[in-house]
Amino acid sequence: EAQVTQNPRYLITVTGKKLTVTCSQNMNHEYMSWYRQDPGLGLRQIYYSMNVEVTDKGDVPEGYKVSRKEKRNFPLILESPSPNQTSLYFCASSPGRGRPDTQYFGPGTRLTVL
Amino acid sequence: QKEVEQNSGPLSVPEGAIASLNCTYSDRGSQSFFWYRQYSGKSPELIMFIYSNGDKEDGRFTAQLNKASQYVSLLIRDSQPSDSATYLCAVKGYNQGGKLIFGQGTELSVKP
Repeated sequence: EAQVTQNPRYLITVTGKKLTVTCSQNMNHEYMSWYRQDPGLGLRQIYYSMNVEVTDKGDVPEGYKVSRKEKRNFPLILESPSPNQTSLYFCASSPGRGRPDTQYFGPGTRLTVL
Repeated sequence: QKEVEQNSGPLSVPEGAIASLNCTYSDRGSQSFFWYRQYSGKSPELIMFIYSNGDKEDGRFTAQLNKASQYVSLLIRDSQPSDSATYLCAVKGYNQGGKLIFGQGTELSVKP
């Protein structure tokens, strides 16, 4: 089944404790992205990657890191989480070529930073 | 001004009516326009995309694009309670690669 998977789905952590949210897609997509969703603010792009070893900042990159060492994986790293990073996070992938360049979303990770 | 703005909700319509969802964008170079539906607690799913001025129909859904007015809309005909969800407008600029900008979403409620 074609899908984007994220782990963990739920995470409660404390300020300053490094964490990684994994994202994997099995559709051989070129593009992958991370978003956060907050009430009243919609989806905001954190980082995106157009290919292996190619990443670029989205609208809200501060406090986050990403890497794209393999085409299928795009982990999101919070080196020192803070309470303002409490949010719902979505990973997405898209073919990157042709039309439509549809984004397929993972199930989401709900993160709480205490 | 936000880059992509949607009319504030929630929008409530009776079953069988037409629901009209609106979106404006600020970047005149935008090339691709998407409508996503998100049920509560779920991830967004694509329902419509449009690239050219005019209307595009898919079943009960019609997307309308007016690049001169920087306006894109989604019409849902014969609205059903199962259409109750948040609708997200998303815009991609020319040569923007993977950069996609979303509006804040409009919550639609279809009353039986």
